[in-house]
Amino acid sequence: DTAVSQTPKYLVTQMGNDKSIKCEQNLGHDTMYWYKQDSKKFLKIMFSYNNKELIINETVPNRFSPKSPDKAHLNLHINSLELGDSAVYFCASSQEFSDTERTEAFFGQGTRLTVV
Amino acid sequence: AQTVTQSQPEMSVQEAETVTLSCTYDTSENNYYLFWYKQPPSRQMILVIRQEAYKQQNATENRFSVNFQKAAKSFSLKISDSQLGDTAMYFCAFNGNKLVFGAGTILRVKS
Repeated sequence: DTAVSQTPKYLVTQMGNDKSIKCEQNLGHDTMYWYKQDSKKFLKIMFSYNNKELIINETVPNRFSPKSPDKAHLNLHINSLELGDSAVYFCASSQEFSDTERTEAFFGQGTRLTVV
Repeated sequence: AQTVTQSQPEMSVQEAETVTLSCTYDTSENNYYLFWYKQPPSRQMILVIRQEAYKQQNATENRFSVNFQKAAKSFSLKISDSQLGDTAMYFCAFNGNKLVFGAGTILRVKS
């Protein structure tokens, strides 16, 4: 029973195309994230949503647009794909109960995006 | 800004030996969480251990333990009795108002 699932696992596409990555969590968490992991394995936060509302947008190009139809889903749409967008994209979720009680982030299996 | 620094890009250890991975962080927050995640070649992100900043006692999970020094903003991971399956990239992470990761340390366990 997968807690955080992303589709697809692999995505190969040409420059200029538009693509989407879907993410769903069945943990009942309020917060969801998108991270980008580059070729050097560095994990950089892109977006964070809490109860469908955007709370963090880390200077990501406008070509990246997250969409949260409900708190269990956070999809990532990318327009006009560029070579530099090639990376592994991770979706994650967590729950904050109070200032002193918070879960860790649970991650999806990642989507390897290759732009050619 | 919150930053996490892992100063060891790569580490090696013999099977059954002990190894310590370093992590320091910078924050002005008082309530936060710290984590170590493991990423094996399968690329799945796996939680190894977590530490709440308000707890003075160091967290322990079987062979994994941390040395949390809040004043020094240090959070190192000790792996005892290293196993071949521990070979992976290890990320230190800080969660205050957002979850920030260090650059990672590649750990290789040799037989």
